[in-house]
Amino acid sequence: GQNIDQPTEMTATEGAIVQINCTYQTSGFNGLFWYQQHAGEAPTFLSYNVLDGLEEKGRFSSFLSRSKGYSYLLLKELQMKDSASYLCAVMDSNYQLIWGAGTKLIIKP
Amino acid sequence: DAGITQSPRHKVTETGTPVTLRCHQTENHRYMYWYRQDPGHGLRLIHYSYGVKDTDKGEVSDGYSVSRSKTEDFLLTLESATSSQTSVYFCAISDGQGDYYEQYFGPGTRLTVT
Repeated sequence: GQNIDQPTEMTATEGAIVQINCTYQTSGFNGLFWYQQHAGEAPTFLSYNVLDGLEEKGRFSSFLSRSKGYSYLLLKELQMKDSASYLCAVMDSNYQLIWGAGTKLIIKP
Repeated sequence: DAGITQSPRHKVTETGTPVTLRCHQTENHRYMYWYRQDPGHGLRLIHYSYGVKDTDKGEVSDGYSVSRSKTEDFLLTLESATSSQTSVYFCAISDGQGDYYEQYFGPGTRLTVT
């Protein structure tokens, strides 16, 4: 079967760095996405990785290792507004997104 | 922001009644999707469309049907609502081209079946 695993909840301090991990087993691979979802709102796109390595976009970076079925999202200089759920999703061989259950990130002052 | 709207935004209905949710886009994107989101689960695909009158089932399609008669509208129908269909429903769109297959999401519909 297809499976995406990520921690249910994480807590971090304002101004710090946090890494959210995602491991996956899917039927084929056509890229990995990270989305941010604030409570009561729609998911919004953060990043896309299809090749191994690190993609940096401002305070957010995303890493992929296809051989290990592993990705992480790195958030630097955390702000209170970063409190949200972070969703990992893999595009399978049929170009459908398989979603993890999401990681709820709590930022404390 | 992608132009996607969903209606209604909130609905309470009784078990056994039919319910139709509407997704409307102004982006002329080819692909449209219906997901449900429940606590402890990732987004789960119900049905999707790859063009006018072209639809296919997703992971959790039982009890749901869809129609797409125009590029901009994608309707999700619960023929006879059950309490297990209480959920938040998201519509998403994608142009399915280029290096990205990014999906843009509508604001969601919170459906409660009593």
